[in-house]
Amino acid sequence: EADIYQTPRYLVIGTGKKITLECSQTMGHDKMYWYQQDPGMELHLIHYSYGVNSTEKGDLSSESTVSRIRTEHFPLTLESARPSHTSQYLCASSGAGLETQYFGPGTRLLVL
Amino acid sequence: GQQLNQSPQSMFIQEGEDVSMNCTSSSIFNTWLWYKQEPGEGPVLLIALYKAGELTSNGRLTAQFGITRKDSFLNISASIPSDVGIYFCAAQNSNSGYALNFGKGTSLLVTP
Repeated sequence: EADIYQTPRYLVIGTGKKITLECSQTMGHDKMYWYQQDPGMELHLIHYSYGVNSTEKGDLSSESTVSRIRTEHFPLTLESARPSHTSQYLCASSGAGLETQYFGPGTRLLVL
Repeated sequence: GQQLNQSPQSMFIQEGEDVSMNCTSSSIFNTWLWYKQEPGEGPVLLIALYKAGELTSNGRLTAQFGITRKDSFLNISASIPSDVGIYFCAAQNSNSGYALNFGKGTSLLVTP
């Protein structure tokens, strides 16, 4: 079982608020990822990191930003949330060599 | 990202029936993965395939990495109600770095 955690699990906020979604893993994985997923739909990569101080944008354009100051921590921030940001955000990590990604439980975000 | 065509989109079956779903692509991949996602949760890894032609089982689940490296299938034998969920295929190659390409998912419903 993968040890990757996300908080909060659910978040309801008003438009214009700044939010940070937390993701932590205890597996020592160097690579971490953020995906956005609408209900019943496929996953879209929005950010990834191959190690500390490394961050890249994914295939899906996102107004969010990420940081990777510590190996185990990969937070995602929205400076000013909008209703269009309503979605589920999934964090994942993978180790060296084999590319199997392990997912956290996700954060369901609702912006009113 | 590179497109994965996953089918069928949904399946509605009776308990005890066998299930088969597949993913195809026009691109060649080095890794194929199958995940299951239940409502409100992150995807959970079911089977990972790393070699063309590889056939791997995990309990009632069996998956194969196609010889052409462009496809994979997942079979579930003797389905049970707890098999309900969305099943995603994912694949990776050197063109996408460490990122995974995901299929759109197969929604499985199992009636007792």
